Amino acid sequence: GESVGLHLPTLSVQEGDNSIINCAYSNSASDYFIWYKQESGKGPQFIIDIRSNMDKRQGQRVTVLLNKTVKHLSLQIAATQPGDSAVYFCAENEQAGTALIFGKGTTLSVSS
Amino acid sequence: ETGVTQTPRHLVMGMTNKKSLKCEQHLGHNAMYWYKQSAKKPLELMFVYNFKEQTENNSVPSRFSPECPNSSHLFLHLHTLQPEDSALYLCASSSRTGAGYGYTFGSGTRLTVV
Repeated sequence: GESVGLHLPTLSVQEGDNSIINCAYSNSASDYFIWYKQESGKGPQFIIDIRSNMDKRQGQRVTVLLNKTVKHLSLQIAATQPGDSAVYFCAENEQAGTALIFGKGTTLSVSS
Repeated sequence: ETGVTQTPRHLVMGMTNKKSLKCEQHLGHNAMYWYKQSAKKPLELMFVYNFKEQTENNSVPSRFSPECPNSSHLFLHLHTLQPEDSALYLCASSSRTGAGYGYTFGSGTRLTVV
């Protein structure tokens, strides 16, 4: 079946480095993509989203890149801080879809 | 607080018990969702409600029974659960279903079935 997945289950970086978290999806009908951050003991929190008619979108310290040709999504975090340590999920939805489908998650660990 | 409140935060129940999880949102959203989050697995969609009507049941066993009395409240009634049902149960809401609408999640109910 269709699925959304992440390349790496864990990523460790030094404070101040840039982080890149990747996600591959298989549903060519996916129209909308979101990155969520989940800290320990909390529910997922929205970070940034992008529609399929765009290939890049920037937020505060975060950038999402979408490559529809290879069905790849990435989240770039600039100047990573210890507070960025969390599990990051990508999710997708079709235009006519009902609900977001989530990938497995990448655990980002930031050391000082 | 995200605007989506789930209670209780933690629940331990025996396999013969009956309990209910509650979710409440005051964001003016019309769609609400139940997701199950197990260790090392993606979030699994369980149920979708749009304007109080159930629009999706993702092959969830009947021992899980959702209820949506209005657009602001969502319940998950539990009975005769199995140990493998132990997980974090997350409620989310969005303006409406479909692409383009981000979800706001609650903090979840950590359920342990003994």
